[in-house]
Amino acid sequence: DAKTTQPNSMESNEEEPVHLPCNHSTISGTDYIHWYRQLPSQGPEYVIHGLTSNVNNRMASLAIAEDRKSSTLILHRATLRDAAVYYCILRVYGQNFVFGPGTRLSVLP
Amino acid sequence: DAGVIQSPRHEVTEMGQEVTLRCKPISGHNSLFWYRQTMMRGLELLIYFNNNVPIDDSGMPEDRFSAKMPNASFSTLKIQPSEPRDSAVYFCASSPNPGQGNNQPQHFGDGTRLSIL
Repeated sequence: DAKTTQPNSMESNEEEPVHLPCNHSTISGTDYIHWYRQLPSQGPEYVIHGLTSNVNNRMASLAIAEDRKSSTLILHRATLRDAAVYYCILRVYGQNFVFGPGTRLSVLP
Repeated sequence: DAGVIQSPRHEVTEMGQEVTLRCKPISGHNSLFWYRQTMMRGLELLIYFNNNVPIDDSGMPEDRFSAKMPNASFSTLKIQPSEPRDSAVYFCASSPNPGQGNNQPQHFGDGTRLSIL
């Protein structure tokens, strides 16, 4: 049970922002929201995580809804190297990661 | 800094043979995870170690699979005897703190692509 819902696929144009949505309506107060991505022929790579407040790092931004039932991963300027499967994961306290099918992002030149 | 190192990158062997996959976690990380990825089932956690001790092996599919962590810098995942349905990409990941109850990110290796003929 992945506990999150993401679109199967999305497309973006190069150098444009990308907003990847994730629904997690069963989230509880201690669950963190994690994002990983997996490039072709590589292992998953940590992107960002947060609890309640929006978060920024060098890779992306994470916008968390006020009720925490959804979040959005924002890539500010997509590049061809950002084409990957993006996983939104709820880190439930005391449990390990459960990866769902993720969103396959295609970036068009 | 060296990341998580897995070997071999590719393994092709015949059904019934023993297969050993190896992992060197990032130095200083005390949690280690083995995952399996297939098209049908996605990415699944097989087993998780903390301070070299297996904590949760509920994801190990059956007795043919075993994992060890003899020291903080090395772990193996063994399949004996191997079967065609074991064909998958196997990933090792490490984390700087216990995997449960905190939010340190996991760092993954590039995986071992295993094909059992």
